[in-house]
Amino acid sequence: DGGITQSPKYLFRKEGQNVTLSCEQNLNHDAMYWYRQDPGQGLRLIYYSQIVNDFQKGDIAEGYSVSREKKESFPLTVTSAQKNPTAFYLCASSPRGQETQYFGPGTRLLVL
Amino acid sequence: AQTVTQSQPEMSVQEAETVTLSCTYDTSESNYYLFWYKQPPSRQMILVIRQEAYKQQNATENRFSVNFQKAAKSFSLKISDSQLGDTAMYFCAFMNNNDMRFGAGTRLTVKP
Repeated sequence: DGGITQSPKYLFRKEGQNVTLSCEQNLNHDAMYWYRQDPGQGLRLIYYSQIVNDFQKGDIAEGYSVSREKKESFPLTVTSAQKNPTAFYLCASSPRGQETQYFGPGTRLLVL
Repeated sequence: AQTVTQSQPEMSVQEAETVTLSCTYDTSESNYYLFWYKQPPSRQMILVIRQEAYKQQNATENRFSVNFQKAAKSFSLKISDSQLGDTAMYFCAFMNNNDMRFGAGTRLTVKP
């Protein structure tokens, strides 16, 4: 099946620990995105990448890092510098030249 | 910066009836795209409908249609013949040059 997968579904982080959220797509989409969703709010852009080995900061990039070594993969690392990481994280992708973004199922990150 | 406003935090509708969700946005751009996404309890973001700003004709997708008023910067979603499966959060989104902005969402409950 073609689609976007995110793993794990739930992730727990201890104080001071870095964690990495996985996002993989087999849709051959060029662009990929990471969003954060807090309760009762819309999505906010963390990072996006339009091509391999290139990515841009979104509105709330502080405390996060990404890489785009392969077209199909766009992992997000939540670093210890992110003071309030508890949230729902959504990955999305879009084909070249198209504006519609398609979303993965999300990862719920909780801080212990 | 572009902003998206959804003024109805919660709405309810009886099954088989029609409901309209409101969305307004603020931009100085002339070329952009507008979207409605649905987020059911599973939290998967699902595209409902999209509209290109350069098209005057309102988009329709089966029971879903929009009323796009470019001068008023308004983009409402009409759901006809509401079904129990339409119960979800609905997010309005604005896209220009890879910058996607989401509203805070409207929680829609369809009652039997």
